[in-house]
Formats: sequence, structure tokens, C-alpha cells
Amino acid sequence: GQQLNQSPQSMFIQEGEDVSMNCTSSSIFNTWLWYKQDPGEGPVLLIALYKAGELTSNGRLTAQFGITRKDSFLNISASIPSDVGIYFCAGLTTSGTYKYIFGTGTRLKVLA
Amino acid sequence: GAVVSQHPSWVICKSGTSVKIECRSLDFQATTMFWYRQFPKQSLMLMATSNEGSKATYEQGVEKDKFLINHASLTLSTLTVTSAHPEDSSFYICSARLAGAKNIQYFGAGTRLSVL
Repeated sequence: GQQLNQSPQSMFIQEGEDVSMNCTSSSIFNTWLWYKQDPGEGPVLLIALYKAGELTSNGRLTAQFGITRKDSFLNISASIPSDVGIYFCAGLTTSGTYKYIFGTGTRLKVLA
Repeated sequence: GAVVSQHPSWVICKSGTSVKIECRSLDFQATTMFWYRQFPKQSLMLMATSNEGSKATYEQGVEKDKFLINHASLTLSTLTVTSAHPEDSSFYICSARLAGAKNIQYFGAGTRLSVL
């Protein structure tokens, strides 16, 4: 199936550092969602974006809807150990069945 | 927030048997639910879209006779893995879409299926 490309694939960071990850596509999307998944659990919604250029925050998390509508970015400030997990972006297709296409995921590991 | 409950969270079955997984939206009605499959260290792959009161829409390559989906009410969708084989072992996750303009999807906690 179709997937979005996420970068980086994985990253190790020190506690307290800021984290940036992005999601790119060759297709245009009208909605971007960012999820976090812990091992053995379902994804939990972090942020939803609806407009090109939109910048939305949720605590230490900030996400942006790219102006081309083909990409999105997620930033985590002052990382803490519980930020460990896999982060997925998801873009809503603009035609057909209106389903979400998921990114390949960014695996984050925080070193205390 | 919207809560999606998935049951069971873990199931082991013998090869050749069928397994049913339930997905319930607890505090909202979901006309559309989705079933995903996730292999270790990989992303979520959409298997099918479950529509209340109508037939499910399956993604290319997903056998509809193998993975039976029923969405009989606005709060319940079920996935039945028929005649399960070891290659069906995986993590299955459902999600429910909140009706309205936001198109937000909330996920269940997933079901880990192990077929012996």
C-alpha cells in the first residue's frame, strides 16, 4: 500500500534536547495527523492539522502543515524519557474513499 | 476524548481455527471504522474500511474471505480471521472515525494474534 516517507527513520537524543521530524509525500493532503505509538499499544493522537501553513501546538509538541500540502513537520521541545516511542504521520487522501495513509514512522529513543 | 476499545488484546489460536476481534467506540458513534495490520517495526497497513450497514471495502491484496468484517451497529465492528495460519500472526489495530468535518481517527489498543 501507499506510504508516506518519514525522516529520520530513527534517532537517539539526549534528554532535554529538541527533536524534529518530517513527513513528505508526492500527493497533496487536506488533513495531517500525528500519532505516537508505544510498544504493544495502538497509536495515540497528538496533533491534527487542517490548513496549509497551519502551526499547532500541544504542550511541548508543535506541528506544521506544509504550505505545499505535501509535507508536515513535528517538533518536540525539551525531550523527556517518556517521549520514547514511534511517531507516525498520517495524511488524509483528497479523493476516493477518504482514508488516511500512514508514514513509515520515526523511532525516538531518549537517553537520560 | 473519544475512546475506542478493542478486544481481546492478545489471542493465541491453533492453525485452522477462526478468531474474532471486536472494536467498539465507547463514547461516540462511528459510521466508519478501519482495520489495520502492523508487522514488527513497520508502519500501519490499512486492510479494510468498515462501513456501518454495508459491505466493507478491502484494500488491494487483502482477502475478503479470509478477513471477514462486520459493522452491524454504529459502535461495533468485528474482524474475523478465518482458518488462521501462522503467517496471519500479527498485530491488528482498529480505528474509528469521529463523524463531522474533522475526520479524526481514534485507535484501539490493538490485538496481538499468534497462530500456532
